[in-house]
Amino acid sequence: QIQLVQSGAEVKKPGSSVNVSCKASGGTFTTYGISWVRQAPGQGLEWMGDIIPIFGTTRYAQRFEGRVTITADKSTSTVYMEVGSLISEDTAAYYCARRSNWFDPWGQGTLVTVSS
Amino acid sequence: EILLTQSPATLSLSPGESATLSCRASQSVSIYLGWYQQKPGQAPRLLIYDASTRATGIPARFSGSGSGADFTLTISSLEPEDFAVYYCQQRANWPWTFGQGTKVDIK
Repeated sequence: QIQLVQSGAEVKKPGSSVNVSCKASGGTFTTYGISWVRQAPGQGLEWMGDIIPIFGTTRYAQRFEGRVTITADKSTSTVYMEVGSLISEDTAAYYCARRSNWFDPWGQGTLVTVSS
Repeated sequence: EILLTQSPATLSLSPGESATLSCRASQSVSIYLGWYQQKPGQAPRLLIYDASTRATGIPARFSGSGSGADFTLTISSLEPEDFAVYYCQQRANWPWTFGQGTKVDIK
């Protein structure tokens, strides 16, 4: 049973970048995708982008295109998401989730706080 | 982009009561609609997929119905652990999108 374990909370300054990791344990990526979903405080869920690790193919939500980069290291079963040019509105919990036909399972979430 | 509208925003009920949550899509998504439960401080959890199929380990009191653009999640008899926020999500078209959520809280 695959589990996704994310890196810890981050505090970043506006204009900087953050890199969040998502490591799969108890299984392999196979042909599934790994998506990133964010949730601002008290708000809903927003899909950001996706990678199929064994192929390296990515796609991004239009609003994040150019500011978010998702990569994968097959040797360590880890997916990374970098968000650049951070602004205060990027303060949110960021979740990775395995994408087969649905998002399941999810990582535990990584809180990113953007503050000067 | 397909817009999903959930109603009501909040549902205040007592344990043992039945809950009915609605999700309406801006265009047909066929049966490609899922439901997730999220408790405070936790990641979402898949409850229902393909409109009406329960995910592994989900109790039978959760049921989903609908097709096209109108969907319903029913919780037949609320248990204390069911008070949470519920999101619908479509996978018919990219980008996959979520509804804004319905909070089920204790009356």
